[in-house]
Amino acid sequence: ETGVTQSPTHLIKTRGQQVTLRCSSQSGHNTVSWYQQALGQGPQFIFQYYREEENGRGNFPPRFSGLQFPNYSSELNVNALELDDSALYLCASSQSGTRSSHEQYFGPGTRLTVT
Amino acid sequence: SQQGEEDPQALSIQEGENATMNCSYKTSINNLQWYRQNSGRGLVHLILIRSNEREKHSGRLRVTLDTSKKSSSLLITASRAADTASYFCATLALSGTYKYIFGTGTRLKVLA
Repeated sequence: ETGVTQSPTHLIKTRGQQVTLRCSSQSGHNTVSWYQQALGQGPQFIFQYYREEENGRGNFPPRFSGLQFPNYSSELNVNALELDDSALYLCASSQSGTRSSHEQYFGPGTRLTVT
Repeated sequence: SQQGEEDPQALSIQEGENATMNCSYKTSINNLQWYRQNSGRGLVHLILIRSNEREKHSGRLRVTLDTSKKSSSLLITASRAADTASYFCATLALSGTYKYIFGTGTRLKVLA
């Protein structure tokens, strides 16, 4: 158990709808990263939040947005859902510090299905 | 796009045998980490190796890193059925956002 939790576990949405996924980071961690993992692929970096501000973004369109709250929990919002958004969404928390020792700890993920 | 490639894509071995999987990456890195993932669930952190390290051990795991070849290997000794999972390497770049670039993964099946 990493102490990182995500909700919900599973979600089914219709194309065009909007979705919000939630993540509670591990105690003491101030950085949250979100990844999308399509079936049979490795996780792909969406974006990262550090102290409530976006701290880097991968190759995802603006309809993917996020928030980080003062307690370092985070939300991932996806608007105008497309079929290709069906994936496992993973949240990872970490404590920013020495780069060489930096480790991320992942939550169990949210399985999103878009029909 | 993913930076890393893992080899083999899939591996099936008998319990008690050793399993070796390899990871190659494209750019200079600060560290490389290996993760395990069971049945499409969350990733479990296995081991971190820094760019100035060549080998690291943790229990039945042995990781090597060759920065000149931009490659790493994960060896699992005396495998068990419970080791059945997908294994991913992830690299952290030298600068910029603390984002990890994952490989494509190796699906390991250990037969009892």
